[in-house]
Amino acid sequence: EAGVVQSPRYKIIEKKQPVAFWCNPISGHNTLYWYRQNLGQGPELLIRYENEEAVDDSQLPKDRFSAERLKGVDSTLKIQPAELGDSAVYLCASSTIKGLQETQYFGPGTRLLVL
Amino acid sequence: DAKTTQPNSMESNEEEPVHLPCNHSTISGTDYIHWYRQLPSQGPEYVIHGLTSNVNNRMASLAIAEDRKSSTLILHRATLRDAAVYYCILRDGYGNKLVFGAGTILRVKS
Repeated sequence: EAGVVQSPRYKIIEKKQPVAFWCNPISGHNTLYWYRQNLGQGPELLIRYENEEAVDDSQLPKDRFSAERLKGVDSTLKIQPAELGDSAVYLCASSTIKGLQETQYFGPGTRLLVL
Repeated sequence: DAKTTQPNSMESNEEEPVHLPCNHSTISGTDYIHWYRQLPSQGPEYVIHGLTSNVNNRMASLAIAEDRKSSTLILHRATLRDAAVYYCILRDGYGNKLVFGAGTILRVKS
């Protein structure tokens, strides 16, 4: 079974430029997450989708970040314009229920460097 | 969210058991204890979870204290591939979001 796929794996951009990350979750997983992970820290949730609905976007900086999950499968996370502080790894995860508890499966992440 | 406390780092020798501790003194009755790990340059991966009883799977064992205020992830024979950051996370029974701390960096020496 294929895991969560993310692209690109690496991205280098100059500040004020836009950038987009793409995620393809595991087939059949209705719940999709985007996390941001700063160096030396654990991942922090940005947004959670149930099918195509964003059910928790409280941590998403809405002035510059946007996300969509059309048709409830693939998802795109966009930053416009990027700032130096946005340099981080952006992780996508999808989930299923295992033993009465949800288990999340993470992709390899997109490492963003803003210069 | 209830908080967990883990050592910043630990070191182990290859092929020896490793015991990774986690303190969660404010755990509530409905909180499950989850462990994820993150290998270098990869996303986190699920390891194990439990509520009250000790749990075993192919990756590890989870030992939960009787008062549930602490738990220990046990890797029975550490290999170099087990070198990773290990996160101990509490989630309530209704499946709220994962809240990651800084985790424990496990180094395995050959």
